[in-house]
Amino acid sequence: GAGVSQSPSNKVTEKGKDVELRCDPISGHTALYWYRQSLGQGLEFLIYFQGNSAPDKSGLPSDRFSAERTGGSVSTLTIQRTQQEDSAVYLCASSLAASGSHNEQFFGPGTRLTVL
Amino acid sequence: DAKTTQPTSMDCAEGRAANLPCNHSTISGNEYVYWYRQIHSQGPQYIIHGLKNNETNEMASLIITEDRKSSTLILPHATLRDTAVYYCIVRVAGAAGNKLTFGGGTRVLVKP
Repeated sequence: GAGVSQSPSNKVTEKGKDVELRCDPISGHTALYWYRQSLGQGLEFLIYFQGNSAPDKSGLPSDRFSAERTGGSVSTLTIQRTQQEDSAVYLCASSLAASGSHNEQFFGPGTRLTVL
Repeated sequence: DAKTTQPTSMDCAEGRAANLPCNHSTISGNEYVYWYRQIHSQGPQYIIHGLKNNETNEMASLIITEDRKSSTLILPHATLRDTAVYYCIVRVAGAAGNKLTFGGGTRVLVKP
């Protein structure tokens, strides 16, 4: 079946603009995760969803960042008033569940965001 | 989650075994060792995980020392497509959230 998909694959925006990044998880996966990877850096956890609720938002770097998930499927990560330091690859992952077992995470290809 | 220490980079020859070490001296009794890898321009990919017994799957083998303070990921016959950054992660399996905490990883270059 299809893996995790993300859109757009690349996004270039101007400082101060808002952007929306989309993630389509694997069908049937109830848990969804957002990470980001700045140039030359490791992956940084942002937020995860179990169903439509987000029990852990601890990784969101500021209140300019928000995410939602509807219908237990698609998720959107929104960055308001983008700054140059927001430039990174934003990765989405999904797993069958967020607890109770090992629940391997399957990652999408990422969205490369460049803020000019 | 316990912190891990990995070499920054290593080279290995195509067709030979690649042995990737990881130190996790502060690991707790209920923490597992996970390995993921990230090939250039792709998202991370799960490889293997273990608690205390050695594990093997179609991709790799995981050897965990008896005191669990270190482990080694073994790629038995490295190919050029195994060139990637390999991440060793220690965390409690089944904990709420299951978020992954990535360190710097080991950049592995497989050479012909």
